[in-house]
Amino acid sequence: AQKITQTQPGMFVQEKEAVTLDCTYDTSDQSYGLFWYKQPSSGEMIFLIYQGSYDEQNATEGRYSLNFQKARKSANLVISASQLGDSAMYFCAMTLFKTIFGAGTRLFVKA
Amino acid sequence: DAGVIQSPRHEVTEMGQEVTLRCKPISGHDYLFWYRQTMMRGLELLIYFNNNVPIDDSGMPEDRFSAKMPNASFSTLKIQPSEPRDSAVYFCASSFSGGPGNTIYFGEGSWLTVV
Repeated sequence: AQKITQTQPGMFVQEKEAVTLDCTYDTSDQSYGLFWYKQPSSGEMIFLIYQGSYDEQNATEGRYSLNFQKARKSANLVISASQLGDSAMYFCAMTLFKTIFGAGTRLFVKA
Repeated sequence: DAGVIQSPRHEVTEMGQEVTLRCKPISGHDYLFWYRQTMMRGLELLIYFNNNVPIDDSGMPEDRFSAKMPNASFSTLKIQPSEPRDSAVYFCASSFSGGPGNTIYFGEGSWLTVV
């Protein structure tokens, strides 16, 4: 069965610093996709970044990077140079045939 | 390009009434998903379709919930009769199987309040 775990309910980071949001997953399948989504206070779900299980390179999208450690079954999101607008909920997700989500981490960026 | 379009954005209804939520997926996408988000349970997958066919409805809470996808550009999620515990944000999302990782894209959500 698929499972996604985000153990950090809330995180604080100083503006302009980097922050890592943790995500671990569980599956016995070899082929799967890992995603991160951002949900600001306005409520929409915004796709940030994708990592395939067979991708050897860690995915990067601008200030977002996904630290993929397959043996540890972790897919942490790293946000570099945090901005006030990064304050939001962040969800880790995994896709086999369907996409399931973790409980989320609320990030607070301090000025 | 237009994203996933959901309606209504907000709905307040009385307990016992029928509620119908609507969704237009991104053109060309072959998967459609309905999720429900609450504080207590987070994001739950209710049902998903592939090429208009329901594939997995194991997340549908009970018989009061039903979903249809009569064609590739339209889906509905119906709750009849509605109850206060159905109050949540309902997201529709779609994906293309030929895209990277079947990345799913969400609509803005339908905020349902049942009083």
